[in-house]
Amino acid sequence: DTAVSQTPKYLVTQMGNDKSIKCEQNLGHDTMYWYKQDSKKFLKIMFSYNNKELIINETVPNRFSPKSPDKAHLNLHINSLELGDSAVYFCASRRDGYYTGELFFGEGSRLTVL
Amino acid sequence: GENVEQHPSTLSVQEGDSAVIKCTYSDSASNYFPWYKQELGKRPQLIIDIRSNVGEKKDQRIAVTLNKTAKHFSLHITETQPEDSAVYFCAASRDPRNAGNMLTFGGGTRLMVKP
Repeated sequence: DTAVSQTPKYLVTQMGNDKSIKCEQNLGHDTMYWYKQDSKKFLKIMFSYNNKELIINETVPNRFSPKSPDKAHLNLHINSLELGDSAVYFCASRRDGYYTGELFFGEGSRLTVL
Repeated sequence: GENVEQHPSTLSVQEGDSAVIKCTYSDSASNYFPWYKQELGKRPQLIIDIRSNVGEKKDQRIAVTLNKTAKHFSLHITETQPEDSAVYFCAASRDPRNAGNMLTFGGGTRLMVKP
């Protein structure tokens, strides 16, 4: 009964390929995020969607394209993969209007670009 | 935008000792300060948070303190145990009730508790 689930957990691919990561949350939250965690463990926000609308788009190359078909899903597509894209990508969600603001993270998707 | 600095980047303590991790933030409008724990190979999980209307909050062996004037906050873990070994992240944001206010994380502290 996973709250935030991501697939796949691991991706190994060649430079130049395109890959997608899917995320689903069953918590009824309105806001979903993609975070990138590099090898030094730094957690950096990439995108945020609220009720299917993009509300935060940090300085991420346009090779990264998020898509939210509904408020329970937020997918990430990456074109023309580069070595520097290797990282763990975490999806997260949060309930709107709640002062605590707790982020619920998925298990992460480890992307390795060779 | 917000900038959160976290120190130290690594911390090694003996089991039973206390551990303190410190963070500073730049945005004086930030009013929500959570701490996340990430065990090896796992997802980050919230362990405690504090809002700007209080100066200290405790939950069993962990406590957080906040100094809004100086714009810094700290995590204190007492009587450390090997299972406390993990990476700890501080974070800050403006009112989280507004979906447009994002959480900015510090760089993380790797805590190692030696038995």
